[in-house]
Amino acid sequence: DVKVTQSSRYLVKRTGEKVFLECVQDMDHENMFWYRQDPGLGLRLIYFSYDVKMKEKGDIPEGYSVSREKKERFSLILESASTNQTSMYLCASKEYAAQETQYFGPGTRLLVL
Amino acid sequence: GESVGLHLPTLSVQEGDNSIINCAYSNSASDYFIWYKQESGKGPQFIIDIRSNMDKRQGQRVTVLLNKTVKHLSLQIAATQPGDSAVYFCAERITSGTYKYIFGTGTRLKVLA
Repeated sequence: DVKVTQSSRYLVKRTGEKVFLECVQDMDHENMFWYRQDPGLGLRLIYFSYDVKMKEKGDIPEGYSVSREKKERFSLILESASTNQTSMYLCASKEYAAQETQYFGPGTRLLVL
Repeated sequence: GESVGLHLPTLSVQEGDNSIINCAYSNSASDYFIWYKQESGKGPQFIIDIRSNMDKRQGQRVTVLLNKTVKHLSLQIAATQPGDSAVYFCAERITSGTYKYIFGTGTRLKVLA
């Protein structure tokens, strides 16, 4: 069965803290994605990765960075958390190109105070 | 997640009735469309997809209809069950060198017993 896991379901951080969100998939997928989900807006792509050590900016990369050192793990980093980064963060993965379905993790709800 | 639903349109349906959820997409060049289901506190779950060279696709209890003329997508759920209660949103894919996904904000489906 397909599985995407995220390290935390809920996080509370203070402004200026460095925050790490971890995502792990067990499907040997090449592509991985980080989105944020906010009320009244559709999912917005922050960063994605085609393969190990590869990354591409999505639509809203400002204030974020990513790391993909191993195929199964894709980390989202908030270098200096701000209150406008309070959101639900969703990780997804999919096979390269031909397989279109993205499999999502359960999400991490981040509150920045 | 819970707060995603704050600004969503809601469709209330009697258990056993059919549900129709609509989505207007934005780009006439979109070549692939996906419907997701998101239950409270969980990540989005793939339901069904359709390519732009089709106008109808059926799954188990679900049917997706695509009208490219008016850029409209619909999800039909037959014999709606309490477990169908969730937020449903569509996504379109634009292929222009690379893939870009645009996600809708969603509709909350409430199944009345």
